[in-house]
Amino acid sequence: QLQLQESGPGLVKPSETLSLTCTVSGGSISSSSYYWGWIRQPPGKGLEWIGSIYYSGSTYYNPSLKSRVTISVDTSKNQFSLKLSSVTAADTAVYYCARQEGGSGWPGAFDIWGQGTMVTVSS
Amino acid sequence: DIVMTQTPLSLSVTPGQPASISCKSSQSLLHSDGKTYLYWYLQKPGQPPQLLIYEVSNRFSGVPDRFSGSGSGTDFTLKISRVEAEDVGVYYCMQSIQLPPFTFGPGTKVDIK
Repeated sequence: QLQLQESGPGLVKPSETLSLTCTVSGGSISSSSYYWGWIRQPPGKGLEWIGSIYYSGSTYYNPSLKSRVTISVDTSKNQFSLKLSSVTAADTAVYYCARQEGGSGWPGAFDIWGQGTMVTVSS
Repeated sequence: DIVMTQTPLSLSVTPGQPASISCKSSQSLLHSDGKTYLYWYLQKPGQPPQLLIYEVSNRFSGVPDRFSGSGSGTDFTLKISRVEAEDVGVYYCMQSIQLPPFTFGPGTKVDIK
């Protein structure tokens, strides 16, 4: 079955760029039926949607993060990636990647999630 | 942004008893395509969120039938007919009608008495 796995550094220095990759296995990221998204969760807090991408490269970003976020897709590797620039301690969180229903229609539920990766911003 | 509110924020339930969580949105979640873009997730301790309910009332694959969703417009409810020990965790509602951003409720923590 489809699985998602986040990877990347667990520690990032303030003002630097956080970079994470989500590897999709058991299915194709090029499916026209889905978007692929990033969601984060600060320790002990709730969920915040960061952005989503379609396999064609079309993206939607949370306006609160848009100036610092880039999400990209590499269909040859079945991966999509997150870059968040100029990080501060407020960006410390568990970062999840997830498959989002919708594809050519309206974006819907995040139906399959990765296990998440903890990223700490600290010098 | 559409603001999602949930009540209560915490709930302690006796096993076998029912439980209910309310979610309200600051704008209608009914799309012109006729669908209502409201979802429910459960995040068990130490795990990622898992989808329970999509489009208000549809149980996701593998979700027990003790979970049910209802509502319309801006008011929604998740009900657990008989709470089991494995149902502990934090329940979130989420909307995707506004793009962007998609927004989640603050979460309702459910534990067992």
